[in-house]
Amino acid sequence: DSGVTQTPKHLITATGQRVTLRCSPRSGDLSVYWYQQSLDQGLQFLIQYYNGEERAKGNILERFSAQQFPDLHSELNLSSLELGDSALYFCASSVDGQIGSPLHFGNGTRLTVT
Amino acid sequence: QKEVEQDPGPLSVPEGAIVSLNCTYSNSAFQYFMWYRQYSRKGPELLMYTYSSGNKEDGRFTAQVDKSSKYISLFIRDSQPSDSATYLCAMSARTGTASKLTFGTGTRLQVTL
Repeated sequence: DSGVTQTPKHLITATGQRVTLRCSPRSGDLSVYWYQQSLDQGLQFLIQYYNGEERAKGNILERFSAQQFPDLHSELNLSSLELGDSALYFCASSVDGQIGSPLHFGNGTRLTVT
Repeated sequence: QKEVEQDPGPLSVPEGAIVSLNCTYSNSAFQYFMWYRQYSRKGPELLMYTYSSGNKEDGRFTAQVDKSSKYISLFIRDSQPSDSATYLCAMSARTGTASKLTFGTGTRLQVTL
């Protein structure tokens, strides 16, 4: 068990809808990352937060947004959903978000857009 | 061209075999190199972590980094059916004040009895 908790485990929704994915980092970790994993693209970095502030942005669509709250949990909001957004969404955390700090992943949220 | 290239497999080996998994990369700024193991329906789990060139051993696992060739490897000795999983290489580089971890697409390994 990595200590990173993601909810819900599964989400099935329709195109055009909006969903929120939630992540609680490992105890003591200040940085949270969001990744998208699809069969053809592998793990794609979306966004990183450190202690409530956005630290880095990757291939995150404008329809997607995220935030990290004062208690360090994070939420990823996906809106105007399209079929192509169906994927596994992983949250990871690290102690300080620095280059040498390994990431610890949750078990993901499987999103299916119909 | 992707920054990190990894053969997707699948790679099927008999129990007890030595497994070699590899990744090549193009970004010379990568400094830290990791291997993650991902079982079906689970998140990636950190397996090995190395900095710069050289070898690192942990039990049946050996990670090797050759920065001059931009090539990293993971060797698994005495492979077991429980090693059947997808193995992802990952490497990180500094981007401003942040770090960016880039993953390979993963190699699916099947260890058969």
